[in-house]
Amino acid sequence: DTGVSQNPRHKITKRGQNVTFRCDPISEHNRLYWYRQTLGQGPEFLTYFQNEAQLEKSRLLSDRFSAERPKGSFSTLEIQRTEQGDSAMYLCASSPRGIYEQYFGPGTRLTVT
Amino acid sequence: AQTVTQSQPEMSVQEAETVTLSCTYDTSESDYYLFWYKQPPSRQMILVIRQEAYKQQNATENRFSVNFQKAAKSFSLKISDSQLGDAAMYFCAYRIGGGADGLTFGKGTHLIIQP
Repeated sequence: DTGVSQNPRHKITKRGQNVTFRCDPISEHNRLYWYRQTLGQGPEFLTYFQNEAQLEKSRLLSDRFSAERPKGSFSTLEIQRTEQGDSAMYLCASSPRGIYEQYFGPGTRLTVT
Repeated sequence: AQTVTQSQPEMSVQEAETVTLSCTYDTSESDYYLFWYKQPPSRQMILVIRQEAYKQQNATENRFSVNFQKAAKSFSLKISDSQLGDAAMYFCAYRIGGGADGLTFGKGTHLIIQP
């Protein structure tokens, strides 16, 4: 068990470009969460999957954001037409059924220039 | 909506001393969970301790303990015998029980350990 992994760890993109991040949860964790963390703030919840079903989305998740979790394994978070305000750390977390704490990955730091 | 407030942006403590980090929260729910997470510089967030709202006994994990005051909606973290490796951002977090909602985090407290 290697923990939650996220790729890439860093991404620099130009405004208007699309970016995609990947999260691999701990094996057999059926729940997967995405958060966004800006400098000096705590993480903010974006969306949540139970297996392959996306069960909850925050109002922070604008139409430019989309997340998938095909086959209930890894998940991707795509941001279309990036804006400078999208610059942040994007964190992924997973948890197994019946356990309330979440296990976090190292995050993907996005910089939009 | 639930909110979590950490009123101390930064705290400093001498190595081997004890420090307490404050957290208050606002909720109308009766079934919920509270957590303290540690985020070292450029490293991933790790769970320090958790507290179930239905439990009256305060949680303890080695040098880390909480003071859970349900009526006051207060959830402070006490770190005893502070070590240099304790230096990090500490986040208080809340989640409702029963479901699988995302965590609501406070803004964090930056803990500095003075050698």
